[in-house]
Amino acid sequence: GIQVEQSPPDLILQEGANSTLRCNFSDSVNNLQWFHQNPWGQLINLFYIPSGTKQNGRLSATTVATERYSLLYISSSQTTDSGVYFCAVESGNQFYFGTGTSLTVIP
Amino acid sequence: DVKVTQSSRYLVKRTGEKVFLECVQDMDHENMFWYRQDPGLGLRLIYFSYDVKMKEKGDIPEGYSVSREKKERFSLILESASTNQTSMYLCASSSRRYEQYFGPGTRLTVT
Repeated sequence: GIQVEQSPPDLILQEGANSTLRCNFSDSVNNLQWFHQNPWGQLINLFYIPSGTKQNGRLSATTVATERYSLLYISSSQTTDSGVYFCAVESGNQFYFGTGTSLTVIP
Repeated sequence: DVKVTQSSRYLVKRTGEKVFLECVQDMDHENMFWYRQDPGLGLRLIYFSYDVKMKEKGDIPEGYSVSREKKERFSLILESASTNQTSMYLCASSSRRYEQYFGPGTRLTVT
């Protein structure tokens, strides 16, 4: 299967700071998604982004499929941004997840 | 809005019991998936299904089986639960080659 690596594994931010999360994948993929897992375990869709750039409020994401990576940008972070961020790639109708970036935003 | 529901949020079972986890989606999605999530290991795919009565093994199918008799419902079965199956179980659905939507998860403890 495809290997998906996320970095950094852990991140602590002061409220208001910006951050960049990275997702590298080992082979060509059809699709890529970013998720946020809240403290109750629910996975929330952030972006469906097989290529290009998308923005949604304070969050944006860029995928460069030819170079096999995606970036998730969080600007002006808030305490409610805390949780684990996962990227998942799809190939051959299977989805492969990274091990996540655990983000803690401190007031 | 897509809605994926799972039958239980928390479940405690004894070793050797047969366990059923149910997942229902309301968006007429073709694909449905079962994952387990363990600390440090991320999400790992157990089984997925493209259509009714179709199933495919994921990365870790051992000890599990699945059933999809109706398009909206996908069940995960632990034939004889063991303590190493204590985990968070997550169900997801998607339309073909599009984004996945997840249910709230079931925290299963096997004692």
